[in-house]
Amino acid sequence: DGGITQSPKYLFRKEGQNVTLSCEQNLNHDAMYWYRQDPGQGLRLIYYSQIVNDFQKGDIAEGYSVSREKKESFPLTVTSAQKNPTAFYLCASSIQPLGPLNEQFFGPGTRLTVL
Amino acid sequence: AQSVSQHNHHVILSEAASLELGCNYSYGGTVNLFWYVQYPGQHLQLLLKYFSGDPLVKGIKGFEAEFIKSKFSFNLRKPSVQWSDTAEYFCAVTYSSASKIIFGSGTRLSIRP
Repeated sequence: DGGITQSPKYLFRKEGQNVTLSCEQNLNHDAMYWYRQDPGQGLRLIYYSQIVNDFQKGDIAEGYSVSREKKESFPLTVTSAQKNPTAFYLCASSIQPLGPLNEQFFGPGTRLTVL
Repeated sequence: AQSVSQHNHHVILSEAASLELGCNYSYGGTVNLFWYVQYPGQHLQLLLKYFSGDPLVKGIKGFEAEFIKSKFSFNLRKPSVQWSDTAEYFCAVTYSSASKIIFGSGTRLSIRP
């Protein structure tokens, strides 16, 4: 069964702690993305990766970090530097980042709450 | 800057009413256009997409959208909505000059049974 998995579904952390959100895909897609979804603001791009061992900052990268050591995995770390980390985080992938194959497929999301 | 605007934040309709959700994008050359839908508690999923060819695009569940290049618009339509269409709808665009997709802020659709 092909798709994107994100874990955990709900995550609670204390203020000041770093936390890593998992994203795995078995679609053999080259590109992967992390978005943050807040009410009334749509999806905002945090980081994206077009290929293994390469990634670029999106529109709101401050306070976040990523790695892309394997094609199927793109974990996101929310650091203590992120001023307002409580949000719903979505991971996505696409066959290619550009051109007619750049339709994105989304995971179920992780809701992070920082107490 | 490249951007996407969805002017309706929350739309409330009765069942069987017709639907049109607005979407406008800023000029930036060749574009690919998408509508995604997020049903309550479910993944964000693709409703329809436009890459080239016929500007009237048909998607799943009776939805369609029309690409009007002169107006920079890609409005979503459905002639008769159902209660199960209750969801949040996102318009998105990719520009040929960029390697990322830009999403609008979303429109929440509520259908009264």
